[in-house]
Amino acid sequence: TQLLEQSPQFLSIQEGENLTVYCNSSSVFSSLQWYRQEPGEGPVLLVTVVTGGEVKKLKRLTFQFGDARKDSSLHITAAQPGDTGLYLCAGRNTGGFKTIFGAGTRLFVKA
Amino acid sequence: SAVISQKPSRDICQRGTSLTIQCQVDSQVTMMFWYRQQPGQSLTLIATANQGSEATYESGFVIDKFPISRPNLTFSTLTVSNMSPEDSSIYLCSVARTSGDANTGELFFGEGSRLTVL
Repeated sequence: TQLLEQSPQFLSIQEGENLTVYCNSSSVFSSLQWYRQEPGEGPVLLVTVVTGGEVKKLKRLTFQFGDARKDSSLHITAAQPGDTGLYLCAGRNTGGFKTIFGAGTRLFVKA
Repeated sequence: SAVISQKPSRDICQRGTSLTIQCQVDSQVTMMFWYRQQPGQSLTLIATANQGSEATYESGFVIDKFPISRPNLTFSTLTVSNMSPEDSSIYLCSVARTSGDANTGELFFGEGSRLTVL
C-alpha cells in the first residue's frame, strides 16, 4: 500500500513568515499534486509535479518534486492570512487510477 | 475544469436512518470517486463509481453500508445506510481530469456534503 506522510500536521505563524510543508513516501509516484481546502469547500488543485527534481512556482508558493519522485515540498514565502487553510499532498498509485492523500497540514496565518 | 454539484450540502440525521447524497457533473466523465473526510482529517477513498457496473470499494468500506449508483456519465449517488454518530463526516464527490484517454491523477471536487448523525 502506498502511503504519503505529510508534516507538520499543524502550523500557526505570523503574517510575513516563511514556511515549508513536506510530503514523503517510500514509494515512487508518477506524479504528485498539492491541493488547498478551505472550510466548507472541497479541495482545489494548486499544482501537479511530474518530473523528478521539478520546481514549480505559483506566486509566493514554490513546489518541488524529489529527484526520486518519492517526496515533495511546498514552500510559502511571506505568508498572508489568505493562505490559511488545509494543504494536502496527493498522488496517483502506480499503475492505477486512484488518488491517495496525505494527512494534510492545517496552516493558520495570523495578521 | 468540471463543475460538480452535490446535494445536500449539509444534513442532520437520526441514528439508524439512511441518507442519499447526489453528485451532478456538468460534463461526461469516466472516473468518478467518493471520498470521506472525518472531522479534522484528510480524505479517504470510499469507492470508485463505475458507470454501468458495480462500484469498486476500498478496504474497510462495503456496499451494504455505502451503496453507490452511477446511472450515466454525469451523475452518481452515495447512500450512507443505517447511520451512526461515527458516520458524521464530510462526503466528497470527485472526478478525474483526463488528457485524451489518460488519467492525469488530478481531481476536481464538489463542495462536499457535511453529515451530522445524532
